Amino acid sequence: QVQLVQSGVELKKPGASVKVSCRASGYAFSNFPVTWVRQVHGQGLEWLGWIGPSNGDTRFSHKVQDRITMTADTSTNTVYMELRSLRYDDTAVYYCGRGGGVIDPWGQGTLVTVSS
Amino acid sequence: DIQMTQSPSTLSASVGDRVTITCRASQNINSWLAWYQQKPGTAPKLLIYKTSTLEAEVPSRFSGSGSGTEFTLTISSLQPDDFATYFCQHYKNYPYTFGQGTKLEIK
Repeated sequence: QVQLVQSGVELKKPGASVKVSCRASGYAFSNFPVTWVRQVHGQGLEWLGWIGPSNGDTRFSHKVQDRITMTADTSTNTVYMELRSLRYDDTAVYYCGRGGGVIDPWGQGTLVTVSS
Repeated sequence: DIQMTQSPSTLSASVGDRVTITCRASQNINSWLAWYQQKPGTAPKLLIYKTSTLEAEVPSRFSGSGSGTEFTLTISSLQPDDFATYFCQHYKNYPYTFGQGTKLEIK
C-alpha cells in the first residue's frame, strides 16, 4: 500500500535548522510530487510547498520561501524538507503527503519544537 | 493569496443527523477544491477532490458540491466515526491554502 513514513521528533533552538525526512513506498516515487504542510497544535493547516522528485522542481509558500529547501533522493525514495533560521512560531507538526495539489495519503507527521 | 473561509467553526450534531459545512473562496477556484477529515492525533485524510469526487473507500454518505467560490460538504446521516475536524483546501494557484477547519462535535 502507498505509505509515507517521516522521521522522528525534533527539538531545536531558535536560529537553528531542522531537516525532516519522508520516505515513500508502494508507488512510483518519481511520478508524484510530495507536498509539505504544517499544523500548529490545535490550529489549522498551512501549505508550505512541494517538490517533484523526478526533476527537483519546487514551489513554496511566500511565507517560508526564503528559509525552506526541499530535496529528493530517488535512490531511497525519500524527500527532505529543511527549514532554517527557526523561530518559536515554527513549532508545529510537519506533514508530508503524496501529490502536488490534492494530498493523499499523508505521512504520520513530525513534531518540531523550537525552544531555548 | 486565495483565502478559504469555512463555516461554522464548530458544529454540534447527533448520530443520524444531516449536516452541511460551507467553504468560501475569496476568488474563483473553479472546481479545484478538496475536503479532508482529521481526527485528534492523526494526519488528515482525503475525502473528496475536485469538489465532488469521492476518494476510494470513502462512504457514500459524504458528498461535495459547489463551484466558483462557494462549496459544501454534506454528510447525509452522521455516524459515530464522523465526529472529527474537516478542512477544505483549494488547489487553483499557489499557495494552496486551507480553510481554518470545522470541528464536528457530538451534541
